[in-house]
Amino acid sequence: SAVISQKPSRDICQRGTSLTIQCQVDSQVTMMFWYRQQPGQSLTLIATANQGSEATYESGFVIDKFPISRPNLTFSTLTVSNMSPEDSSIYLCSVDVRGTGNSYEQYFGPGTRLTVT
Amino acid sequence: GESVGLHLPTLSVQEGDNSIINCAYSNSASDYFIWYKQESGKGPQFIIDIRSNMDKRQGQRVTVLLNKTVKHLSLQIAATQPGDSAVYFCAENVYGNKLVFGAGTILRVKS
Repeated sequence: SAVISQKPSRDICQRGTSLTIQCQVDSQVTMMFWYRQQPGQSLTLIATANQGSEATYESGFVIDKFPISRPNLTFSTLTVSNMSPEDSSIYLCSVDVRGTGNSYEQYFGPGTRLTVT
Repeated sequence: GESVGLHLPTLSVQEGDNSIINCAYSNSASDYFIWYKQESGKGPQFIIDIRSNMDKRQGQRVTVLLNKTVKHLSLQIAATQPGDSAVYFCAENVYGNKLVFGAGTILRVKS
């Protein structure tokens, strides 16, 4: 498994501002992922962040709105830019860890609860 | 604090009974499936996984069944305990270790 921490754990922000969320892992991992979980809903993948390359964004998410950094194998940041109330969500990072056989198990951080007013 | 499961279907079971949580997945090419448990204020916790070349896998008090014919996945929890109360999500690996999550089910255990 992997121990994943996120900062901040929660924040209340004003519309039009930006917030950068940090994700730290206790071991080196190749792939890190950022998800969004809107209130009362399931998780949606925002992007995949690999060290040394540009993040790959899923449909409906763009780099200008959610810039991502991946400076090394244990750390990543997600910025939520020019926030609006619709960005109020829990933002989660996750990592792949090799499990039994050839499987990869994906573990999640505790999440960052963002409220935009 | 706010619950992440406010709008999700709910399964209520009596403590000690068995629970069965169901999930329909969308992509017949998915080769790997995972069940997660999410407690209030926490990130999803890995429970058990199953590859597409299997139809059943057992863990401690949990069993996952996979029916590829109808694209259906279920999680069985034996002797459900109050600590099992949470939101449960299935997820499918569509490609490149990217997970697509199901809608989620709230499990409430009555003592």
